[in-house]
Amino acid sequence: RKEVEQDPGPFNVPEGATVAFNCTYSNSASQSFFWYRQDCRKEPKLLMSVYSSGNEDGRFTAQLNRASQYISLLIRDSKLSDSATYLCVVNRGGYSTLTFGKGTMLLVSP
Amino acid sequence: DTGVSQNPRHKITKRGQNVTFRCDPISEHNRLYWYRQTLGQGPEFLTYFQNEAQLEKSRLLSDRFSAERPKGSFSTLEIQRTEQGDSAMYLCASSLSRDPQETQYFGPGTRLLVL
Repeated sequence: RKEVEQDPGPFNVPEGATVAFNCTYSNSASQSFFWYRQDCRKEPKLLMSVYSSGNEDGRFTAQLNRASQYISLLIRDSKLSDSATYLCVVNRGGYSTLTFGKGTMLLVSP
Repeated sequence: DTGVSQNPRHKITKRGQNVTFRCDPISEHNRLYWYRQTLGQGPEFLTYFQNEAQLEKSRLLSDRFSAERPKGSFSTLEIQRTEQGDSAMYLCASSLSRDPQETQYFGPGTRLLVL
């Protein structure tokens, strides 16, 4: 089983749609969780950290379920500029290093 | 711009040649990481430093790869006797150990093509 698994993509949605990405992780000792966004041929950029109680940043909502080892990202009212690959990321137990999922590509069309 | 910088941004080399990449982290960050990303995959961890000490190396880091951070500031990643399978984007990231989330910030990467 891969350490971090994400929905295979791509997701094609119209502007204004709500889209949800799912992610599971295998290392129960993981302590930090993130969603990164990566535009084509660019570096990953932090979108948001994910906290146990769930957290929201504008149109973006992240949820964490430690018991199920499951992370989600919800994007509401999607914009053309949201088109990118979304990477689910966890740290490796007590280590600082990050483990990335393969990413899920989102394409928002007019 | 006070973000992470990497040089060169692109490198084309012939199989068997040695290449060296440089990473300059965000100035106050004491941790520095190297990752490799191939097409269609997420970044994969290679190695990391806290100050000048190399604390962890991945199994991916064969003996042809070496990384240094001699003064605890910039870092170099050298690949000796390059192989076509080394073609990838090499990403550097930095973080601050006292940041509770230890958020990592990435540089723009060095894209390596081995012919």
